[in-house]
Amino acid sequence: NAGVTQTPKFQVLKTGQSMTLQCAQDMNHEYMSWYRQDPGMGLRLIHYSVGAGITDQGEVPNGYNVSRSTTEDFPLRLLSAAPSQTSVYFCASSQPAPRDSPLHFGNGTRLTVT
Amino acid sequence: ILNVEQSPQSLHVQEGDSTNFTCSFPSSNFYALHWYRWETAKSPEALFVMTLNGDEKKKGRISATLNTKEGYSYLYIKGSQPEDSATYLCAFHSSNTGKLIFGQGTTLQVKP
Repeated sequence: NAGVTQTPKFQVLKTGQSMTLQCAQDMNHEYMSWYRQDPGMGLRLIHYSVGAGITDQGEVPNGYNVSRSTTEDFPLRLLSAAPSQTSVYFCASSQPAPRDSPLHFGNGTRLTVT
Repeated sequence: ILNVEQSPQSLHVQEGDSTNFTCSFPSSNFYALHWYRWETAKSPEALFVMTLNGDEKKKGRISATLNTKEGYSYLYIKGSQPEDSATYLCAFHSSNTGKLIFGQGTTLQVKP
């Protein structure tokens, strides 16, 4: 059972480049979310989804796009990377919405934008 | 803006000490409160999900209490061990959004 899988683990981008961070889960979880972790800031919610076809903004959505075409996948797109997006990104899922169920986290993607 | 505050920011204790931390959250629109344990170079792992005022949960030497009316939760560790060294995160789920908002965490260092 793989759980939540994030790829890549590490990525270096130049300012202005675009890329997609992949997140897939095999637990049939309806709820999926993306967080970024910066020193002294804890985990900040970027976007989340309560099911296929439904997405919503979190605390820090600017500069990021998401889509949820399937239950399993929730990719995060950076359209034009900026140094301020240098961070560690975590994808997390739960079933159902996290009122009674904890989040299951992926192993993170460390992104550096130069 | 949902404000979730944790205190203290960091804590150093000796092996065998008992310790506790606080998570403060909005007292309105409460839906759930989560606690996670986050070891360096790993991903956060769930400790507790608490939904009812007065809830008390326990997992080994770790326990948590919840007061939704005044908006706080305590996490207790009894007889701290070096392997308890980690950052402990709480997260608040409001009833009027689907967002799970995290506090900044309390980093615990247990010295042998």
